[in-house]
Amino acid sequence: AQSVTQLGSHVSVSEGALVLLRCNYSSSVPPYLFWYVQYPNQGLQLLLKYTTGATLVKGINGFEAEFKKSETSFHLTKPSAHMSDAAEYFCAVRRRDSNYQLIWGAGTKLIIKP
Amino acid sequence: DGGITQSPKYLFRKEGQNVTLSCEQNLNHDAMYWYRQDPGQGLRLIYYSQIVNDFQKGDIAEGYSVSREKKESFPLTVTSAQKNPTAFYLCASSSSGGGYTFGSGTRLTVV
Repeated sequence: AQSVTQLGSHVSVSEGALVLLRCNYSSSVPPYLFWYVQYPNQGLQLLLKYTTGATLVKGINGFEAEFKKSETSFHLTKPSAHMSDAAEYFCAVRRRDSNYQLIWGAGTKLIIKP
Repeated sequence: DGGITQSPKYLFRKEGQNVTLSCEQNLNHDAMYWYRQDPGQGLRLIYYSQIVNDFQKGDIAEGYSVSREKKESFPLTVTSAQKNPTAFYLCASSSSGGGYTFGSGTRLTVV
């Protein structure tokens, strides 16, 4: 069965430091990949997505992610963390047998230290 | 502006009571979903629908019911059979091949 693994339920970085949130997926075919952000007591918001084409995807709020097929990874990065980046981040992959359904990672809570 | 609206934002349920959470979208999306979110447990799928008048159970459908009489609407009823309904409920919609658009959520509390 397809799965998505996010390494680390909590990641803590200092303000201004590099943000790296890890996501690995299991899939035998090129997947559609997504990163979402959730602020407290709110719904999820799409940060970026990879479907086809360029493997480096730029999203909102200065985030980007790189699809690496050989590593089955889609890690999310931001060069310089800001206090407003504190939130929970979810990685997702589209189900192989569906045009609609996504399989979700467990989420990573990003903590920003002043 | 197109979007997805959940109401109410907060809901209180007494023991043994059924309550209905509303979800409406004006994005012309075919598919709609209901998720439950508990602290530290990520997103768990309750029900989903890819077409009007059809819906499928997700991973935790017991104690919940849905209907999809209109493309725009996908209400969720939390029945008295759901023994631990206190949670944050998220509705989402999507088009074929697209990502999800989420509502802002309903926080349900049993009193």
